[in-house]
This record gives sequence, C-alpha cells and structure tokens, in this order.
Amino acid sequence: EVHVVEAGGGFVQPGGSLKLSCAASGFTFSASAMHWVRQASGKGLEWVGRIRDKANSYATGYGASVKGRFTISRDDSKNTAYLQMDSLKTEDTAVYYCVNIYPSGYWGQGTLVTVSS
Amino acid sequence: QAVVTQEPSLTVSPGGTVTLTCGSSTGAVTSGHYPYWFQQKPGQAPRTLIYETSNKHSWTPARFSGSLLGGKAALTLSGAQPEDEAEYYCLLSYSGTSVFGGGTKLTVL
Repeated sequence: EVHVVEAGGGFVQPGGSLKLSCAASGFTFSASAMHWVRQASGKGLEWVGRIRDKANSYATGYGASVKGRFTISRDDSKNTAYLQMDSLKTEDTAVYYCVNIYPSGYWGQGTLVTVSS
Repeated sequence: QAVVTQEPSLTVSPGGTVTLTCGSSTGAVTSGHYPYWFQQKPGQAPRTLIYETSNKHSWTPARFSGSLLGGKAALTLSGAQPEDEAEYYCLLSYSGTSVFGGGTKLTVL
C-alpha cells in the first residue's frame, strides 16, 4: 500500500524559513520523481516544483513564483523528499501537498503553512 | 511561464457525457506535454485520474477517458454519476517545469 505523508507545516513570519518533509512508501521511491503542489484557501492548485531521480541527476524544477526562494531535495535512504522554503511571503500561505504523480499517482493529505505577521 | 486554460465550469446531466479541455498558451498540446488530470472534491486532497494523456490508474472509473482533441488535452466523462461532481485540474509539463490549469468545476445536475 502506498503512503505519502507530509510534515513540518506551521506558522511563520514574513521573511522567515520553513522546511517541509515528505515520507513515502509502497513504491520505488528512489526511481521516482517527487512533486510539491500547493493550494491557497479557496483557490486552485499551483505547481511548486519537483525533483527527479538519481538516473536523471536529481534535476529540479520550480514554479515561477517560488524560483530562487524554494529548494527541493531528497534522501533516498530515508524515502523522503524535502521542501526548503526561504524568504517566505504572505502569499505563500497554503496547504502544501507532496505528490508522486508517476508511477503511483498518490498524493499526501497536505500540510498547512501560514505566513503572517 | 506558459498559461494553461480550462473551462471555469461545466454542467452535465446524470448519465450524460461531457468533455473538459486543457489548452496551452504556447500552442497545441501534444503527448510531449504529458497531460495529467486530477479530481478534487471539497475538503479532500486531489487524486490522480489520468496520466500521460490517456492512461488510467487502477482506481480511475472506466467512465473517464483522456485524449488529445483539437490541439488540447481532453478529459471525457461518459455516463456521469452524482459522485463525479468535483473540481478537475489538468497539469502540463514544459521544459523543466509544469503548470496547472485553473480548474473546471463540474456540476452533475
């Protein structure tokens, strides 16, 4: 059975940092790309970024609104992906989902990040 | 950054057929954009319905199908059920990045 579980959300002031983690099981994590997607309250889905697998040199890609501020990494020995968020803005407030879009198609339940003074 | 467009809302009658589309500001959508479709119901995390244009997961109801149609990615629902009322999002891949459409709110009425 596949499990994807995010952790690390919380409250942070503008300009601050936060690191989310995503623990996965039930599929070959080390051979899979992992994505981060966010959703502000009442809004649509926004692609945050992804990290590919070792065979693809752990290549990362980011959405325009977070590029240069967010960094995705992974530890295949722990089947865990991470989202380091720096220089946070109030508009980064959202539920953050970790997703293995392919091959499992599974989403985590999300973790809420609130950026406010 | 590319803009991905979806119909904001659609309505289908129970048992009816409806097609949701997903267009790209860069031109025709092709299989090289690896179109994905996701379903999200209120208060729930999204779930993946279709991957890479037309492939289904084990949990995807047979009444959903994905295709390319008229330069867009398309999600067709044949035989709509009340439980299909939800928000549907497409995702397209571009060189190193991906972009979601704004979503289509599907009403079954």
